[in-house]
Amino acid sequence: GENVEQHPSTLSVQEGDSAVIKCTYSDSASNYFPWYKQELGKRPQLIIDIRSNVGEKKDQRIAVTLNKTAKHFSLHITETQPEDSAVYFCAARSNYQLIWGAGTKLIIKP
Amino acid sequence: EAGVVQSPRYKIIEKKQPVAFWCNPISGHNTLYWYLQNLGQGPELLIRYENEEAVDDSQLPKDRFSAERLKGVDSTLKIQPAELGDSAVYLCASSLEENTEAFFGQGTRLTVV
Repeated sequence: GENVEQHPSTLSVQEGDSAVIKCTYSDSASNYFPWYKQELGKRPQLIIDIRSNVGEKKDQRIAVTLNKTAKHFSLHITETQPEDSAVYFCAARSNYQLIWGAGTKLIIKP
Repeated sequence: EAGVVQSPRYKIIEKKQPVAFWCNPISGHNTLYWYLQNLGQGPELLIRYENEEAVDDSQLPKDRFSAERLKGVDSTLKIQPAELGDSAVYLCASSLEENTEAFFGQGTRLTVV
């Protein structure tokens, strides 16, 4: 079955700098890769997603890149702000099942 | 439009007691998911419904967990009897179809003492 690994588990960046979170997946048939943001005590919320027929997608300060050959995808946040502090989860959909990474705690230092 | 609604938000029960969680998905969403989330981890799928049919319940511990989705709308998840290790947040999510964005409810935080 699908396995998703996410790194790093914790990422601390200075406000205004960029943050990059990386995920790898094992099932080459996976075709949908969402990223969720979860603030403490709140529900996961989709921030961006990408399908396997696209290599890159951008939405304002957030971008996701997908390398199907290497089976990895990354989340890029530019010009980080305090409200970006949260846990970020990547996921990969394989056979209609969404397999989640373990999460990355992003800390934005003032 | 209301999002996915779950109740209760919090529940504390003694071990061996039964507990039930309720979920009302977004109107028109055919796919409904129940996830379990432990602290510091990602959500783990328990069961997925397409309308009223449970199409993936392979991760549901069927000796103590059960779920239903009557009329393909609201859903309930039950644990009987609860064990200490069941303490977690139980998240419900829904999506328009299987391969579209999933929207999550606020979750029910269960504490078994």
